[in-house]
Order: sequence, then C-alpha cells, then structure tokens
Amino acid sequence: GAVVSQHPSWVICKSGTSVKIECRSLDFQATTMFWYRQFPKQSLMLMATSNEGSKATYEQGVEKDKFLINHASLTLSTLTVTSAHPEDSSFYICSASGGMNTEAFFGQGTRLTVV
Amino acid sequence: AQSVAQPEDQVNVAEGNPLTVKCTYSVSGNPYLFWYVQYPNRGLQFLLKYITGDNLVKGSYGFEAEFNKSQTSFHLKKPSALVSDSALYFCAVRGYGNKLVFGAGTILRVKS
Repeated sequence: GAVVSQHPSWVICKSGTSVKIECRSLDFQATTMFWYRQFPKQSLMLMATSNEGSKATYEQGVEKDKFLINHASLTLSTLTVTSAHPEDSSFYICSASGGMNTEAFFGQGTRLTVV
Repeated sequence: AQSVAQPEDQVNVAEGNPLTVKCTYSVSGNPYLFWYVQYPNRGLQFLLKYITGDNLVKGSYGFEAEFNKSQTSFHLKKPSALVSDSALYFCAVRGYGNKLVFGAGTILRVKS
C-alpha cells in the first residue's frame, strides 16, 4: 500500500513552546489529509481536514488557533501545536487519501508529551 | 449521520482458532467500509475495504470481512488466529467529505 510518513515519532517539549508535526505522502499525491488525536485506549478523534492550498476545516471543539494546520503541497501537511500545555499531551496521527474511493493511509503517529 | 459500532471491547481467542471481530454500521446511502489494525504506539494499518461487489472481501494477513446489508454488519474474520494478530482493530465507514468515522475499537488477544 501507499506510504505516509509522519515525523517525529515522539517529542517531549516544555509547556508554552510550540511543536510541529509533519505528515508526508511518499508515493502518491494526497488531495486530502486528516489529523487525529487519540487518547489512551480510545478511538481516533478527528481534529481537522486539510486540503492542499486551502484552509483546514476543523471539527467542533478543536481550537484552530492552537492547532495550526498547513497543507502547502500535495505531499505535505503540518500540524503545529502552539503554546503547548500538559493537557495537549497525546498521540497524534495523520492520514492521507488520494481520492473519494480510495482508502486512507496513516502515518506512524507522534507521541507528544508536554512537561 | 454515519456511525459505526463495535460491540465488543475485547475479543479473546486461542491461537489456531477462528476469530471474529464484530462491526455494525449506520449510513445513509451506500456504505464504504474499512477495517484497520493498530499496534501499540503505531499508526493504523489498512486491512481491507468494501466499496461494492462481492460481499466477502479478502484483505491483508489472511483477514476477510463479510458485508451483510440486511444486518448492516461488516464483521472481520480470520480462519486461524496467530498470536501476532493481537492488536487493536478499528472498523470505519466513510462519511461526508471523505472523512472516516471510526468505531470505538476492539482489542484482540490471541493466546498460545
């Protein structure tokens, strides 16, 4: 299947700093990328949908000024957690889709710990 | 609105025995259904999908799923479980805007 690379796989940062997570589709063009957050032993919670060249669409309850998403090209989307706090600690996962009838492929996930 | 239910939090099965992980869905229109597997601290791996066609869908690692429209189910199955199949399994349905709506997940434990 297609490969989606997410980087970094884990990061520890100090409270108040910002962290950028990258999501790349390596062998296909992703018209749409999705960002999820997953709490321990829970399902994935969709945070936002990003389409190349346009503003991301955020799910209800997700602060767009805190979770900045940029989808500058068909192969790269970034999520920046701004002014991180301990409650932002979580597992963040991206996925990329090449189109409506294709399956989504997921990155490896990023474990963010804010101390 | 689309939704997915995975009624079992955990499924336990002995190695070599057949396994079933249940999923039911609710959609308006034709369902696009998916199964994914997640290993600890990893992203999701695609197993199989149903878009149209045969009700029995074969996927990766020997898994298959049966689409049943009358029962609105899409159960994941494998004839002979392996210890290495132990993981967290998610059923999902495609919703509006190409988004995936996930079930709560089912932990599969295969014991030797």
